[in-house]
Amino acid sequence: GQSLEQPSEVTAVEGAIVQINCTYQTSGFYGLSWYQQHDGGAPTFLSYNALDGLEETGRFSSFLSRSDSYGYLLLQELQMKDSASYFCAVKEAAGNKLTFGGGTRVLVKP
Amino acid sequence: NAGVTQTPKFQVLKTGQSMTLQCAQDMNHEYMSWYRQDPGMGLRLIHYSVGAGITDQGEVPNGYNVSRSTTEDFPLRLLSAAPSQTSVYFCASTGGQFHNEQFFGPGTRLTVL
Repeated sequence: GQSLEQPSEVTAVEGAIVQINCTYQTSGFYGLSWYQQHDGGAPTFLSYNALDGLEETGRFSSFLSRSDSYGYLLLQELQMKDSASYFCAVKEAAGNKLTFGGGTRVLVKP
Repeated sequence: NAGVTQTPKFQVLKTGQSMTLQCAQDMNHEYMSWYRQDPGMGLRLIHYSVGAGITDQGEVPNGYNVSRSTTEDFPLRLLSAAPSQTSVYFCASTGGQFHNEQFFGPGTRLTVL
């Protein structure tokens, strides 16, 4: 089986930087994904890391260390619209199955 | 492209009733999944399919059936609804440049009384 751990909630002010950590224990590992979900909405894809290192996409960056079974999502220049839940998810080696973490609720304050 | 569509958006059932949640995608994706999301929690995989005619169980399959007769459609059947199945159900298909991105439908909010 697989288990993923991430903090339940983070609060920050507009313009700040937030880092959401994700540690995982898996029997197989292909890559780590991040998804954003606004209240009442569907998850939307943010990033995918298969190799160690940092991937940058605009204000959001994602990092992976396979040797440490650890990754993080970095949200920069926070905006009010970034208030949402963020989920890490591990892609198993077989097929495209994803196992999701419990999610981190990010609250951005003015 | 409409992407991934789900019907209905909302549904209330009585214990013991059966129903089918519909899911369709027009992106010609082979891989599709069904998840449930309980309040304040992550998504748990119910069933998935790697292509027409092929389905398999996920983490929480009990009480649900699926079939995949076409690439486009992946319905989820609740056999005999129970209050524990009250949840939001999301259907997703997998695509993107390296087949690493899941595209989610808008969800079905199900209440079982």
